[in-house]
Amino acid sequence: GDSVTQMEGPVTLSEEAFLTINCTYTATGYPSLFWYVQYPGEGLQLLLKATKADDKGSNKGFEATYRKETTSFHLEKGSVQVSDSAVYFCALSLNDYKLSFGAGTTVTVRA
Amino acid sequence: EAGVVQSPRYKIIEKKQPVAFWCNPISGHNTLYWYLQNLGQGPELLIRYENEEAVDDSQLPKDRFSAERLKGVDSTLKIQPAELGDSAVYLCASSSGVGELFFGEGSRLTVL
Repeated sequence: GDSVTQMEGPVTLSEEAFLTINCTYTATGYPSLFWYVQYPGEGLQLLLKATKADDKGSNKGFEATYRKETTSFHLEKGSVQVSDSAVYFCALSLNDYKLSFGAGTTVTVRA
Repeated sequence: EAGVVQSPRYKIIEKKQPVAFWCNPISGHNTLYWYLQNLGQGPELLIRYENEEAVDDSQLPKDRFSAERLKGVDSTLKIQPAELGDSAVYLCASSSGVGELFFGEGSRLTVL
């Protein structure tokens, strides 16, 4: 079935370090790809998305590029802050109505 | 504008007891979702509503779980009777039909 596999955590970084969270997908069609973030005590919220191959989603300094050839959608940020500490979920959707999520990656940024 | 509102935030019950969760979506959002999130895992869809119609309930364990959205606005998810394995976070989300889902903060259930 359609699914995403993302890098296991937890990930602990120092402030201003480079962050990468790997995400690969398996899908029968051409999915839209998403990164959702869950800050402590808050609900999931959309961080960025890409709807077709080679699209780059970006928001809050985070970027991810939809790579069809490697079926990947890795999340990157060049310089993390303590406020980026959260759980990050990669997700896909084939019809805009149903999201299939990865297991989540917990990121902790130390001052 | 208010986001998706869920209640209660936390619920502790003993096994075999019933429990209900309530969700009020963002105003104007016709699509409403209930997701289950087990510890250390990503959310999994339980049921999706388009207005008052359940259009995808294939993952809802219908022997003990039920849901309703009578007037096409707020929704209730019920478990009766609860089992130990039902301990999880129950997430509600809404959307305008295409694109981004907006999630509530979730209802954390502990079954003892």
